Amino acid sequence: EAEVAQSPRYKITEKSQAVAFWCDPISGHATLYWYRQILGQGPELLVQFQDESVVDDSQLPKDRFSAERLKGVDSTLKIQPAELGDSAMYLCASSSHRGNEQFFGPGTRLTVL
Amino acid sequence: RKEVEQDPGPFNVPEGATVAFNCTYSNSASQSFFWYRQDCRKEPKLLMSVYSSGNEDGRFTAQLNRASQYISLLIRDSKLSDSATYLCVAPLSGGYNKLIFGAGTRLAVHP
Repeated sequence: EAEVAQSPRYKITEKSQAVAFWCDPISGHATLYWYRQILGQGPELLVQFQDESVVDDSQLPKDRFSAERLKGVDSTLKIQPAELGDSAMYLCASSSHRGNEQFFGPGTRLTVL
Repeated sequence: RKEVEQDPGPFNVPEGATVAFNCTYSNSASQSFFWYRQDCRKEPKLLMSVYSSGNEDGRFTAQLNRASQYISLLIRDSKLSDSATYLCVAPLSGGYNKLIFGAGTRLAVHP
């Protein structure tokens, strides 16, 4: 069964450091999403790609977060500099079309010390 | 009003019980709804889509009530393995097919 891949699974960093997360969506899925989930809350959309284009980054803190999907396949989410409040689970998901059911990767659990 | 609202629970039920969760949404034009299941510290997994005519998959039934703008999830004959958080998903007002996740309802099934 096709799956969304993410790495690393866990990341511990100190505040002010840079971190990067990688996601490889299900093959053929044009839409890719990055979410942040804080314990006890639902996933919050950070950025949505359609192929290589960003279609929604309204909730992305652009002063420190950046995301790219250069060839329309895998994607990288970067935080620089990391802050204590960034500690959360970062989830990547993909879907065949916008609005269709999304399939999630295992996530990256980030701890900022 | 939040875009998607769920009772956080927890719902504590014995094995074999029937339990139902509701989820209200604010976008009256919404077409796509989903229920996801999330185990502790794991990723959400798609449980089922919610169609206008309802949807049933084994012990799970999802219904859509457009007039009152809520969707429901019914679990029959609860199993210990059903213990998880159930996330409701609905489209955001304003279109562009952005899906909004509720905060989840926690279910604990006990022997």
